Amino acid sequence: GAVVSQHPSWVICKSGTSVKIECRSLDFQATTMFWYRQFPKKSLMLMATSNEGSKATYEQGVEKDKFLINHASLTLSTLTVTSAHPEDSSFYICSAPGTTGHNEQFFGPGTRLTVL
Amino acid sequence: GENVEQHPSTLSVQEGDSAVIKCTYSDSASNYFPWYKQELGKRPQLIIDIRSNVGEKKDQRIAVTLNKTAKHFSLHITETQPEDSAVYFCAARNGNFNKFYFGSGTKLNVKP
Repeated sequence: GAVVSQHPSWVICKSGTSVKIECRSLDFQATTMFWYRQFPKKSLMLMATSNEGSKATYEQGVEKDKFLINHASLTLSTLTVTSAHPEDSSFYICSAPGTTGHNEQFFGPGTRLTVL
Repeated sequence: GENVEQHPSTLSVQEGDSAVIKCTYSDSASNYFPWYKQELGKRPQLIIDIRSNVGEKKDQRIAVTLNKTAKHFSLHITETQPEDSAVYFCAARNGNFNKFYFGSGTKLNVKP
């Protein structure tokens, strides 16, 4: 099946700094990617839809100036957590829909962000 | 937007017994319903899925049923094994925007 990678797999940063997370589709093109965050023992919450060549669309309640999304190419979407604070600490997962028309969604391995 | 509710939040069964997890959704535009298994710190793994034009699907010990009228779908695991222990999530895909919305998760514990 298709492979989605994320980098870094984990990151620790100081409060007030910005952190960039990359999501790549390795062997297929993705005009759309999705970003989720997951708190410990909680569900995946859809944050935004990343669209190649256009602005991301954000779910209600998600601050677009806080979570900057850039879909620079057909294989790369980035999520930047700006001015991170401890409450931003979470597991961030991206996904991309498959291209075979079979509804599948391929998930990245996730990025664990810890803000001190 | 879509609201997916999942029950129970935790489920403990004896090895060999069956486990059932139920979900409801709110948006009639949702047309695809996958189930995922997630181990701690890992990505969700698709275990079975069902489209809105199908009422039931089975894959060995795992089955999913869908009642489109009532907007609910269920995961059935038979002959449970300790390695089935994990967190399970249901999801619903909005057919208009291709977005996936997840249930709150069920922690399944299979006791040997």
